[in-house]
Formats: sequence, structure tokens, C-alpha cells
Amino acid sequence: EDQVTQSPEALRLQEGESSSLNCSYTVSGLRGLFWYRQDPGKGPEFLFTLYSAGEEKEKERLKATLTKKESFLHITAPKPEDSATYLCAVLYSSASKIIFGSGTRLSIRP
Amino acid sequence: DAGVIQSPRHEVTEMGQEVTLRCKPISGHNSLFWYRQTMMRGLELLIYFNNNVPIDDSGMPEDRFSAKMPNASFSTLKIQPSEPRDSAVYFCASSLGQDAGYTFGSGTRLTVV
Repeated sequence: EDQVTQSPEALRLQEGESSSLNCSYTVSGLRGLFWYRQDPGKGPEFLFTLYSAGEEKEKERLKATLTKKESFLHITAPKPEDSATYLCAVLYSSASKIIFGSGTRLSIRP
Repeated sequence: DAGVIQSPRHEVTEMGQEVTLRCKPISGHNSLFWYRQTMMRGLELLIYFNNNVPIDDSGMPEDRFSAKMPNASFSTLKIQPSEPRDSAVYFCASSLGQDAGYTFGSGTRLTVV
């Protein structure tokens, strides 16, 4: 069964303390891997799409990378406004729908 | 662009009543998705339309759920009759094809008592 697993479930960091979030997926023909940010009471906001191993995308303090089995969302020198739930989603060649992971709740303390 | 517009934002209804959720996708987007989000199950795809045609409705939990997209600018998700276990946040999203990033609406928080 195709699965998307995110870790850790929750992460608390001090402002400026860099870290990484992980998204691992079962391999059965990846068409695309997506990262979203979700703030409380709002819908997910699209951040990045990665299509092939070795690809990297950056946006402000965020950088997403992709290997054949997992993706990392690196957060460099985070600020309190980066606090949110980060969702990973995968589109497989064999499927017609995106499968979302359960998310990582990130909290940045000032 | 105002983004994906959903209504209502909140809905409280009694068990057994009919509930209709509405969505206006971004103009020009040809794919529309209905998702349900709960603490226990996370984000689940209910149904996916491409060019107004339902492509995958395997996520629709029961016959009590139905969705329509009569034109490119409007879609509805109906639950009849509603049950307490249907309580969740329902999101509509649209995109330019399935491989593109989705734009989500703000969601409808449904509470069935």
C-alpha cells in the first residue's frame, strides 16, 4: 500500500535554531512530491513541488530536497512566524490522487 | 484573484438534516478537489473533478455523500442525511492539472449534533 510518513509529529525549536522535517514514502512510481504549510483555521498553502531525486527548491528560510525514498524540509534560522503544521503529499504514477502525510507541527519560540 | 472561495465557513446542523457545502474554484483552474480533515484521519480526498467531470470518487465515504460540478466555476458537496461522525473541516481545492500545486479554500467547519 502506498504510504506517506512524516516525522517528527511535533517539533519545538528556539528562534534561530535550524532543523529538518522528514517525509518518507513507499516507492511505486513517484510523479511528484509536494510540501504545504497549514496555519490554524486555514487551508493548506502550497510551498514546493519536487519531481525527481536530487532536485531542490528554496523559498526564504525553507529548502526542500528529494531522494528516492524521502524528502526533507530544511528550516534555516527559523522565526516565530514559521510556526505552523507542514504537510507532505505524494502523487504516484499508479494513482489518480495525492496522498497526504499527517504533518509535522512546528513551533518556534522567540 | 480572491482564491478558492468556500461557503459557509461554519455550519452546525442536527443529525439527519441535509447539508450543502459550496465552492468556487480559481478561474482557469481545470481540476477541483474536495477534502475532509479530522484529527484522527488527517486530510482525506473525497472526490476529484477534471474539466467538471468526476474522475475519482473512491474517497466518498457513503451514499449519503454526493458532489456535483455543474460548471467550471461552482461545485457542491452534499451530505444527506448528516451524522455526528461527519463532523470535520471540509476543504475545496483547485489546480491547473493534478501535477500542479493545489490552492485550498479556507474550509467549512461542519458540526453535526
